[in-house]
Amino acid sequence: EPEVTQTPSHQVTQMGQEVILRCVPISNHLYFYWYRQILGQKVEFLVSFYNNEISEKSEIFDDQFSVERPDGSNFTLKIRSTKLEDSAMYFCASSEERGGEKLFFGSGTQLSVL
Amino acid sequence: AQSVTQLDSQVPVFEEAPVELRCNYSSSVSVYLFWYVQYPNQGLQLLLKYLSGSTLVKGINGFEAEFNKSQTSFHLRKPSVHISDTAEYFCAVRRRNTPLVFGKGTRLSVIA
Repeated sequence: EPEVTQTPSHQVTQMGQEVILRCVPISNHLYFYWYRQILGQKVEFLVSFYNNEISEKSEIFDDQFSVERPDGSNFTLKIRSTKLEDSAMYFCASSEERGGEKLFFGSGTQLSVL
Repeated sequence: AQSVTQLDSQVPVFEEAPVELRCNYSSSVSVYLFWYVQYPNQGLQLLLKYLSGSTLVKGINGFEAEFNKSQTSFHLRKPSVHISDTAEYFCAVRRRNTPLVFGKGTRLSVIA
């Protein structure tokens, strides 16, 4: 079965540094998402992306966050100046359709901000 | 806005015993309901979904769930669990064309 690939699996960074989390969605999918899960808390929606622009974002997705599809295969999440509270597991997902009856998730990137 | 409550954060159960993982949701409009599973070091995988129709939904790996509108519940069940079912299980809800809203997850530990 096709899969969503995320790199790296673990990322450690210093507070205030920029990080870029990378995702390769399934090739024929058109809708892309980022979710995150802080340890012990819910999986939370961050942003959805379609046709090279953000289609929806949550309150969490403030000016420190940005997403990009720099080429035909990668989908990235950038955190401009990381804070301690950004430490979480970040999941990328993709789907063929908007709303995603079936979302395909990557295995996640564990971000630790020190 | 919709929300999801998973009442149990951890559920230990012996191998071959039945299990029920509870999920309740709140929404003022019709919703779609999902269960996802996350095995260690893997991504979230769709177990089953309820969109409409029959309230009893069968999914992969022998799991099933029943949509109960009056109780706003969507509990996940399996009649006989295996060691390989040890994982984190997430209930999720969404309205049409809106992002998924997840619960906190329930860690199922199957004991030999």
